[in-house]
Amino acid sequence: AQTVTQSQPEMSVQEAETVTLSCTYDTSENNYYLFWYKQPPSRQMILVIRQEAYKQQNATENRFSVNFQKAAKSFSLKISDSQLGDTAMYFCAFMKAYGGATNKLIFGTGTLLAVQP
Amino acid sequence: EPEVTQTPSHQVTQMGQEVILRCVPISNHLYFYWYRQILGQKVEFLVSFYNNEISEKSEIFDDQFSVERPDGSNFTLKIRSTKLEDSAMYFCASSEALGVGGEAFFGQGTRLTVV
Repeated sequence: AQTVTQSQPEMSVQEAETVTLSCTYDTSENNYYLFWYKQPPSRQMILVIRQEAYKQQNATENRFSVNFQKAAKSFSLKISDSQLGDTAMYFCAFMKAYGGATNKLIFGTGTLLAVQP
Repeated sequence: EPEVTQTPSHQVTQMGQEVILRCVPISNHLYFYWYRQILGQKVEFLVSFYNNEISEKSEIFDDQFSVERPDGSNFTLKIRSTKLEDSAMYFCASSEALGVGGEAFFGQGTRLTVV
């Protein structure tokens, strides 16, 4: 079975600064995908960034980037130039590459990020 | 931008009552999901649905739960006899395809409170 662990329940960052959210996972699969989802106070989860395990290059989406360490099973999210709108719960999630007729996501417990003005 | 919509946003029900949570997935999506999030805990997978049948379900999804797509647009989750521990936020999601291109789009959730 796969597990996802986020060890930081809450974090705080000053506006315009950089913050890194941690995520580790456990799996025996070789091919899989990892995601970071953002859940703002409105509660709708939005995909922030995805990483395919077979790709060595770390994914980047504007101010969001990941540090994917496959051997260490680590997948951290870096937010640069933090903005007040980044305040949200952030979930790390795992998905098997070959899961049959399903894209089931396994989520971590989340990190609540507060961006301070 | 297309989005997944869920109704109602909040449902209060008495223990033992049946409840139906409704979702309208994005129209061209083929894969549908229900997740739940008990307050303060992680988001947990309940069930996935494709081609009018369940493709995978978790151990949480016991005989008290059922899903259906009655009219080709709605996707519902029914809990036959609610228990106090069913109180949670329930999220519907849909995706267009499988694999990394099949990004899951989530609804805003229905908060179910069982009293």
